[in-house]
Amino acid sequence: GAGVSQSPSNKVTEKGKDVELRCDPISGHTALYWYRQRLGQGLEFLIYFQGNSAPDKSGLPSDRFSAERTGESVSTLTIQRTQQEDSAVYLCASSSSQVMKTQYFGPGTRLLVL
Amino acid sequence: EDQVTQSPEALRLQEGESSSLNCSYTVSGLRGLFWYRQDPGKGPEFLFTLYSAGEEKEKERLKATLTKKESFLHITAPKPEDSATYLCAVRSDNYGQNFVFGPGTRLSVLP
Repeated sequence: GAGVSQSPSNKVTEKGKDVELRCDPISGHTALYWYRQRLGQGLEFLIYFQGNSAPDKSGLPSDRFSAERTGESVSTLTIQRTQQEDSAVYLCASSSSQVMKTQYFGPGTRLLVL
Repeated sequence: EDQVTQSPEALRLQEGESSSLNCSYTVSGLRGLFWYRQDPGKGPEFLFTLYSAGEEKEKERLKATLTKKESFLHITAPKPEDSATYLCAVRSDNYGQNFVFGPGTRLSVLP
């Protein structure tokens, strides 16, 4: 694929509902990152996957947030019992070589919790 | 704790008016400093990676430089299409594979 893709591009949900966000990384990229970006703010790290290693979940803000990745392909970020403060853009990035570690970002999923 | 700050928060330039954006960092064991451009409603777009003090990278009207405490993104004769938010991020020994992002500088270039 040409780049990182994310779906849906926009999601409106009601408080208390669960949402699932999807990320398709660049083919062959072993590392995958999820970030949250609140309006007018910088990127906040959520979780990192590297190959088959255990993910680094140190950035997840609460146990309502979880993520999975199948091998070196698609990842899903799940937010359970959404709250209004979860409203943000959720960005996914992937990277390849150990040396460069340059991240390439997807367009993001804009989540609005009413 | 690693910290990344950026200044100014916002910058308005006239077309052709050169300027610089600053990214200051406090990290233990810098493993790379990255510059990104982010247009409204889009994900960040990679611009440069710098690894050691004294290193410089150039791309069109942009030049990034790195010292032991900060990085500058110099914009020469900017055009309106350079308007965007510019983000810097660092990787360090403290955070392993993770990146710490600064809050960004919103650049507006007026015709």
